[in-house]
Amino acid sequence: SAVISQKPSRDICQRGTSLTIQCQVDSQVTMMFWYRQQPGQSLTLIATANQGSEATYESGFVIDKFPISRPNLTFSTLTVSNMSPEDSSIYLCSVLPFRGEGRGARAYEQYFGPGTRLTVT
Amino acid sequence: DAKTTQPNSMESNEEEPVHLPCNHSTISGTDYIHWYRQLPSQGPEYVIHGLTSNVNNRMASLAIAEDRKSSTLILHRATLRDAAVYYCILFNDMRFGAGTRLTVKP
Repeated sequence: SAVISQKPSRDICQRGTSLTIQCQVDSQVTMMFWYRQQPGQSLTLIATANQGSEATYESGFVIDKFPISRPNLTFSTLTVSNMSPEDSSIYLCSVLPFRGEGRGARAYEQYFGPGTRLTVT
Repeated sequence: DAKTTQPNSMESNEEEPVHLPCNHSTISGTDYIHWYRQLPSQGPEYVIHGLTSNVNNRMASLAIAEDRKSSTLILHRATLRDAAVYYCILFNDMRFGAGTRLTVKP
């Protein structure tokens, strides 16, 4: 399966500051996504991270608040800007390998990172 | 909003089969149905997917209605380790609904 790591695993941040979350995949994968999961809730898709172009954001999420970088096919960052307590959540990156992508990964199965638990005080 | 709807919760006894339903009435002809589950304090993990025909793997079976507007995930013998939130999503959508929280009673 695709091995995904995220940094940091958790953080406690002050209101008004920004945090950048890193997502590293062990092989090249075209499709990468960022989700958040608030306590007791389902996953909400934030955006699709596109390599070499701007991310595609879901309704309710904007680039100024959640800037995303995707410099290559194995790495992405999500920044949570000007944080408020409402941003406290688990942030997860995921990948969806196409056929031939992902070392040992099965095509068209989504693999998730371990998540970054963010608490904003 | 997600294009799938599921019951909020279901209960099962250990060693008994479990049928988890999902409605996706607006599914397009080329959209695959994927199922994931999320164990407590873990990220979601893939369970199974299908297009039209019923599918089986070591974890579960997927029964897809003939009109493809609904599907059912079947766990043939529930174990305590199957207690999780189960999500069905459409491949072209990638958005998760509320999912079904499965409780397995010993």
